Amino acid sequence: DSGVTQTPKHLITATGQRVTLRCSPRSGDLSVYWYQQSLDQGLQFLIQYYNGEERAKGNILERFSAQQFPDLHSELNLSSLELGDSALYFCASSVGQNPEKLFFGSGTQLSVL
Amino acid sequence: GENVEQHPSTLSVQEGDSAVIKCTYSDSASNYFPWYKQELGKRPQLIIDIRSNVGEKKDQRIAVTLNKTAKHFSLHITETQPEDSAVYFCAARYSGAGSYQLTFGKGTKLSVIP
Repeated sequence: DSGVTQTPKHLITATGQRVTLRCSPRSGDLSVYWYQQSLDQGLQFLIQYYNGEERAKGNILERFSAQQFPDLHSELNLSSLELGDSALYFCASSVGQNPEKLFFGSGTQLSVL
Repeated sequence: GENVEQHPSTLSVQEGDSAVIKCTYSDSASNYFPWYKQELGKRPQLIIDIRSNVGEKKDQRIAVTLNKTAKHFSLHITETQPEDSAVYFCAARYSGAGSYQLTFGKGTKLSVIP
């Protein structure tokens, strides 16, 4: 167990809908990262928050947004969902503001039908 | 941004043999190179990492080498065991727009045949 908690484990929804993925980092970690994993693209970096502030942005679509709350948990919001958004979404956390020694959660499998 | 190429995409070895996975990166300013192992249906887990000021690092049966001039780094697993079967991802950390990002390779599926 990495200490990073993600909920829900599975999510099935329809095109056009909106979903929220939740992540609680390891105790003491201030950074939260979101990654999207699909079969042919590996791990794609979406966004990072450090101590409540956006720290780095990757290939995140405008339909996606995230935030980190004062208790350091983070939520990833995916809206106007398309079939191609179906993927495994991982959250990871680390102590510092630079990505190093990331601990990953168990992921949320999103299926858009 | 950074581009990380990983080869091979699949690798099969006999138990007890060695396995080598290679990655190249594009940004010469990248300074940190971790390797993650992802077993089927599980989360990626860090197995070893190396900084740009070090040429080689070992941890039991696993070693990573870095060639900054050629911009490539490799994972070496010796005396492979069936439990080494997994997908391995390399990554490179680079600086972009005032912050650091980790870019991952597309993974290598390693199968160790008993």
